[in-house]
Amino acid sequence: DTEVTQTPKHLVMGMTNKKSLKCEQHMGHRAMYWYKQKAKKPPELMFVYSYEKLSINESVPSRFSPECPNSSLLNLHLHALQPEDSALYLCASSQAAGTAEMGEQYFGPGTRLTVT
Amino acid sequence: AQSVAQPEDQVNVAEGNPLTVKCTYSVSGNPYLFWYVQYPNRGLQFLLKYITGDNLVKGSYGFEAEFNKSQTSFHLKKPSALVSDSALYFCAVRVPGAGKSTFGDGTTLTVKP
Repeated sequence: DTEVTQTPKHLVMGMTNKKSLKCEQHMGHRAMYWYKQKAKKPPELMFVYSYEKLSINESVPSRFSPECPNSSLLNLHLHALQPEDSALYLCASSQAAGTAEMGEQYFGPGTRLTVT
Repeated sequence: AQSVAQPEDQVNVAEGNPLTVKCTYSVSGNPYLFWYVQYPNRGLQFLLKYITGDNLVKGSYGFEAEFNKSQTSFHLKKPSALVSDSALYFCAVRVPGAGKSTFGDGTTLTVKP
């Protein structure tokens, strides 16, 4: 199984709402990632979890809060977002983590987020 | 530090013709290089990678890429393009220990019948 699943597929939220994005993989990967992608632009890295610990935070605003409950699950908690946060949010995983990172990333289909 | 450039925003080819999507990189150290494809409203899909060894790498859907260390390039190629190859292509580079990949800006490939 080489699939990364993400829920929901679409999400519309107001600026005062709290919502969560979910990501799951069952490939035994120990590195998981959150990316933000605007239309026809490259994905922008937000967070990296390695062995369930946050290893990289790319100076993401605190209104985005990641969580890795176990090695298969990754959440992104959203609160008080701005309209400019509207984008496709992609989750990815890779086999290798740490210093020997030769593994390709497997991406989920993304969650299309619209902030009104 | 690591960076990658895709000099062409758009590549247009006729179906059946060979295609090339260009990628150059800049790293301090030996790079790991990747190509991904993204179809509309989908996540990225891995195509192929270069880690070490043979400079010519073969991947999914008939794609291949050649690692050229002297020119710091990793161009994606396919001998005969299909209309279904039309998509957005991203080159990515990673340096061992960096913990993350850097993506190019992407190249939109359009294959016309």
